[in-house]
Amino acid sequence: GAGVSQSPSNKVTEKGKDVELRCDPISGHTALYWYRQSLGQGLEFLIYFQGNSAPDKSGLPSDRFSAERTGGSVSTLTIQRTQQEDSAVYLCASSPEGLSYNEQFFGPGTRLTVL
Amino acid sequence: TQLLEQSPQFLSIQEGENLTVYCNSSSVFSSLQWYRQEPGEGPVLLVTVVTGGEVKKLKRLTFQFGDARKDSSLHITAAQPGDTGLYLCAGSSGANNLFFGTGTRLTVIP
Repeated sequence: GAGVSQSPSNKVTEKGKDVELRCDPISGHTALYWYRQSLGQGLEFLIYFQGNSAPDKSGLPSDRFSAERTGGSVSTLTIQRTQQEDSAVYLCASSPEGLSYNEQFFGPGTRLTVL
Repeated sequence: TQLLEQSPQFLSIQEGENLTVYCNSSSVFSSLQWYRQEPGEGPVLLVTVVTGGEVKKLKRLTFQFGDARKDSSLHITAAQPGDTGLYLCAGSSGANNLFFGTGTRLTVIP
């Protein structure tokens, strides 16, 4: 079956603009995660969804970042008034349950460049 | 924040050599996972360890979870060019997210 897909694969934007990043999880997966990865580094947790609700938003770096999930499926991560330090690869992952030791299936990521 | 530090950060070895990557923390984790990530792709799970002292083998890869569940190691025997990639450990304390390590970038030279 299809894996996790993300769009766009690359996004170049100007400082101050808003961007929306999309994640399509694996069908039937109830848990969805967003991470941020700076160049060649480990992953920084941003937010976790269980169904349409987000019980853990602790990783969002500022109020410019928000995310929503509708229909228990597609999720969008929105960054308002982008800054150069927002440049990174944004990864989405899904899991069949919200249990932390379950395997997380990752998408290929969206590379965001803020000029 | 539960920090997971990996060492070495970069490793470049010849094909056929053995290597060990370490993942250390001052925090106790209920489980720990190892992922490998290739350029332009998301990480892919290699293994999950749950019990302190647990050892798991995946072909030429051997994973160990420390007795105190604060650290882990990944040992690769007779490395191959296909092993090249970014290796990430990730720990869980029972909450709904994973704390990822800083990563080890491995290059195996043919």
